[in-house]
Amino acid sequence: QVTLRESGPALVKPTQTLTLTCTFSGFSLSTSGMCVSWIRQPPGKALEWLARIDWDDDKYYSTSLKTRLTISKDTSKNQVVLTMTNMDPVDTATYYCARMGFYGDALDYWGQGTLVTVSS
Amino acid sequence: QSVLTQPPSVSGAPGQRVTISCTGSSSNIGAGYDVHWYQQLPGTAPKLLIYGNNNRPSGVPDRFSGSKSGTSASLAITGLQAEDEADYYCQSFDSSLSGSRVFGGGTKLTVL
Repeated sequence: QVTLRESGPALVKPTQTLTLTCTFSGFSLSTSGMCVSWIRQPPGKALEWLARIDWDDDKYYSTSLKTRLTISKDTSKNQVVLTMTNMDPVDTATYYCARMGFYGDALDYWGQGTLVTVSS
Repeated sequence: QSVLTQPPSVSGAPGQRVTISCTGSSSNIGAGYDVHWYQQLPGTAPKLLIYGNNNRPSGVPDRFSGSKSGTSASLAITGLQAEDEADYYCQSFDSSLSGSRVFGGGTKLTVL
């Protein structure tokens, strides 16, 4: 059974760095073809893809946010970490991690999401 | 402004058929990249509905189907049910955005 769970602070201050952890089970990021992506959704708005890390440690970032994002993995812990620097109130959103790779680049399993509010 | 354009809302009565369009360009859907569809029920995480343009993961009813032509894709829902009321998102890959996956702006389906 594949599960993913996001964890991190619920509240960050403007200019701070956000660190989110995705802990997963039921698959391994050392398996060829497996990937994990981060996606966010501001309240009442659309989904926005942020970043992806592959089994071979290839990394991809949203063009508009790439200067602020870093994605990494700890295969032994089944975790993927996303950091986003210089947080702003417009970054307030629910942040999801999701698995990719079983059905091409479709996101077939999602975490429940974690709401991050940026406010002083 | 999303790279993939969806109508903000669609509606239909129970039992009817509705379609949701997803319009892209020559750097995404028109370039042959796969389109995937997600259903997001209120207050929940998105769920994969259609992958690879027209394939259903196991457990997704065959009332849901996808198609793609040119620079657009469509999601069709037949035999509309009250439980289908949700937001629907398309997703693809865009070659002009350095490996970025892109989502549509989402469509709210209301079952009348």
